[in-house]
Amino acid sequence: GAVVSQHPSWVICKSGTSVKIECRSLDFQATTMFWYRQFPKQSLMLMATSNEGSKATYEQGVEKDKFLINHASLTLSTLTVTSAHPEDSSFYICSARDTVGTGRHGYTFGSGTRLTVV
Amino acid sequence: RKEVEQDPGPFNVPEGATVAFNCTYSNSASQSFFWYRQDCRKEPKLLMSVYSSGNEDGRFTAQLNRASQYISLLIRDSKLSDSATYLCVVTPRGAQKLVFGQGTRLTINP
Repeated sequence: GAVVSQHPSWVICKSGTSVKIECRSLDFQATTMFWYRQFPKQSLMLMATSNEGSKATYEQGVEKDKFLINHASLTLSTLTVTSAHPEDSSFYICSARDTVGTGRHGYTFGSGTRLTVV
Repeated sequence: RKEVEQDPGPFNVPEGATVAFNCTYSNSASQSFFWYRQDCRKEPKLLMSVYSSGNEDGRFTAQLNRASQYISLLIRDSKLSDSATYLCVVTPRGAQKLVFGQGTRLTINP
């Protein structure tokens, strides 16, 4: 079935530094990928929709200059958290839409990245 | 008002019990509905899609009432392995994104 690889699975960084998270679709092409953020005891909140070869679409309230998204190929999307601060500490999860539809309903999730900013 | 609302729980029930989760959504034009489960510190995983006619998958039964904008999930003969957070998920019409409810935490006790 469709597999999405996300790494790193966890990262600790110093305040003010930038962190890049990668999301790869391993056995299918994903023209659209989604980036979610989940704070403790809260649900997943969509941050942005990443489209291959074009600019990402950000949800209201998400700073596009802080959360840089690049989707340069059909199998790779990256999220860079720039100038990270402790309040950016969260669980970041990507999801890819399987355009061929091999998944049960087309959405496959990465295993998530736990970011801690100290 | 949140787009998707669930009772956050937590629900603590004995093994073998029947558990029911409810969910409401605010956008009447929503087109697809799902239940996901999420284990602690893991990604969400699809449990089942929800159809207007209702659907069953083993011990799990999902129902959708479009008129009331209400979705339910019933778990019969609960197992210890059913302990997780259950997320109600909706897809707005014309959009590819998934909108998640806050989740209901379930703990099955031996």
